[in-house]
Amino acid sequence: EVQLVESGGGLVQPGRSMKLSCAASGFTFNNYDMAWVCQAPKKGLEWVATISYDGSSTYYRDSVKGRFTISRDNIKSTLYLQMDSLRSEDTATYYCARQARGFAYWGQGTLVTVSS
Amino acid sequence: VQMTQSPSYLSASPGESVSISCKASKSISNNLAWYQEKPGKANKLLIHSGSTLQSGTPSRFSGSGSGTDFTLTIRSLESEDFAVYYCQQYNEYPLTFGSGTKLEIK
Repeated sequence: EVQLVESGGGLVQPGRSMKLSCAASGFTFNNYDMAWVCQAPKKGLEWVATISYDGSSTYYRDSVKGRFTISRDNIKSTLYLQMDSLRSEDTATYYCARQARGFAYWGQGTLVTVSS
Repeated sequence: VQMTQSPSYLSASPGESVSISCKASKSISNNLAWYQEKPGKANKLLIHSGSTLQSGTPSRFSGSGSGTDFTLTIRSLESEDFAVYYCQQYNEYPLTFGSGTKLEIK
């Protein structure tokens, strides 16, 4: 059974950093591109970033370029999102997802609240 | 690519059929997915490639379209279908979602 379990969310002050993790199991992690998708409170889904199966390519939405870094550890089957210079508008639930012709599997999400 | 999804809200009764539209601002071939969002559950991929049912998706769901215009149709609504639905294009980066359609019980 495919499982994606996010962790690392919480309350953080504007301008500070936070690192999210996503532990994957139930599939061959290094065969798949992986992504982070977020959802602000009472809003729709927004793609954040994607990393290729081998980590050689990364893609970001414009609003997080230069502030967020997606990475992965294929030995540990874990996806990461390093979030720096956080802003109030980054407040959202962050989901990790397995990407292939859409997002076939999603985690339950971890809430990041950016507030002073 | 901007994805324009309509309607934002839809009210229907069990047994009825409904359709949700998703329009892309430029051609995305058939690189479109549909998702179902329900409280407390992981988001579910229903359809990919515009019309291909993901494994486990009930046959009352169908997708159609290519290029810029796409439709999700749900026939014979069941109680478990009342949820929020999103379309998403994966033809090019940045990947983009529609704004969502909330399907409510009438």
